[in-house]
Amino acid sequence: QVQLQESGPGPVKPSETLSLTCTVSGYSIDTSYYGGWIRQPPGKGLEFIGRISHDGVTYYNPSLRGRVTISLGTSKVHFSLSLSSVTAADTAVYYCARQRPTGEYGRGYFDGWGQGTLVTVSS
Amino acid sequence: DIVMTQSPDSLAVPLGERATINCKSSQSVLYSSDNRNYLGWYQQKPGQTPKLLIKWASARESGVPDRFSGSGSGTDFTLTISSLQAEDVAVYFCQQYYSPPMTFGQGTKVEIK
Repeated sequence: QVQLQESGPGPVKPSETLSLTCTVSGYSIDTSYYGGWIRQPPGKGLEFIGRISHDGVTYYNPSLRGRVTISLGTSKVHFSLSLSSVTAADTAVYYCARQRPTGEYGRGYFDGWGQGTLVTVSS
Repeated sequence: DIVMTQSPDSLAVPLGERATINCKSSQSVLYSSDNRNYLGWYQQKPGQTPKLLIKWASARESGVPDRFSGSGSGTDFTLTISSLQAEDVAVYFCQQYYSPPMTFGQGTKVEIK
């Protein structure tokens, strides 16, 4: 059974760095399944953050203007999100997801999602 | 970025009746080289994580009840629930994966009337 689980340290202060890790089970990141991050601000819609491929190639949403980094663990059952210089606008539920890639530049759909973790940015 | 606009924002449908949700993209998501529409539909039940229902505009994901169907091409798409059940109460999102960055519609909330 495919499962994904986000984990992280909790609330983040403005200007600090948000860090989350996704642990997957029932599969591993390979040529068919990539790792992605999506967020959902309270009461709003979904925003694609970025994804990482099995060989570490990343694509990030340009809207995040160089603040985001996604990395892959050597075992390929962990991948992480780092978002720097956070503000209140970054408060959201952050989901990790399994992506079925359909092309370059981050394209693909998501056929498995973690439960999501609410990250609040507040002083 | 491609803007995905869903309509309506919410709808209430009697049990057993048809529910129809529309999704319009600001540019075509039909890829001419493979004749596929790069569009998916997701269901997010209250307090739960999103679930993929349909990919490629009309291909139902494994395990999804056949009362859910997707149609459309180019810029206009529809998700239809042929006979609404109580467990279908949810917010439904469309997503385009044709052009980076991938984008989602704002969501349509479906309730029982």
